[in-house]
Amino acid sequence: GQNIDQPTEMTATEGAIVQINCTYQTSGFNGLFWYQQHAGEAPTFLSYNVLDGLEEKGRFSSFLSRSKGYSYLLLKELQMKDSASYLCAVRGRRRALTFGSGTRLQVQP
Amino acid sequence: EAGVTQFPSHSVIEKGQTVTLRCDPISGHDNLYWYRRVMGKEIKFLLHFVKESKQDESGMPNNRFLAERTGGTYSTLKVQPAELEDSGVYFCASSQVNTEAFFGQGTRLTVV
Repeated sequence: GQNIDQPTEMTATEGAIVQINCTYQTSGFNGLFWYQQHAGEAPTFLSYNVLDGLEEKGRFSSFLSRSKGYSYLLLKELQMKDSASYLCAVRGRRRALTFGSGTRLQVQP
Repeated sequence: EAGVTQFPSHSVIEKGQTVTLRCDPISGHDNLYWYRRVMGKEIKFLLHFVKESKQDESGMPNNRFLAERTGGTYSTLKVQPAELEDSGVYFCASSQVNTEAFFGQGTRLTVV
């Protein structure tokens, strides 16, 4: 089976940098995804890591260490619109995603 | 390009009734997934279609749930008869081979 842990809530200040951690235990690994979800909306794809290292996409970066079962999502130059839930998800051998419970990020002025 | 669309956006039904949810994936996406989020819990996988074939239905909770994807285009998920614990948000997602999944906005199902 798969188990994914991420913090429930985080608060950060507009303009700052925030790191959201995710640890996972899995019987099969075929990539780790980060999604953003605003309340009542669809989860939106942010990033994908399948090899160790850092993937950068504008203000968002994601890091993966497969040996440690660890990933983080880094958000730079925080904006108020970044207030949302951030979902860590692992894809197993059978292609289905297993999600963590999500981290609710509150960006304050 | 149209995204993944789901219908209805909300449904309120009584226990014992039947409800059918519909998902239209992004055109050309062979992979179609159903997920569910019940109150306070994480999003959980239900099943995966590749074209019209069920690739993985290991997440389906019981035989009250029936998913179909005739012709390999849109998919339906029927719950019959609905129980109180079936309440939640049902998400559909689609993808091409080895790419990220795109999610619909979900159907919020309330069983009373």
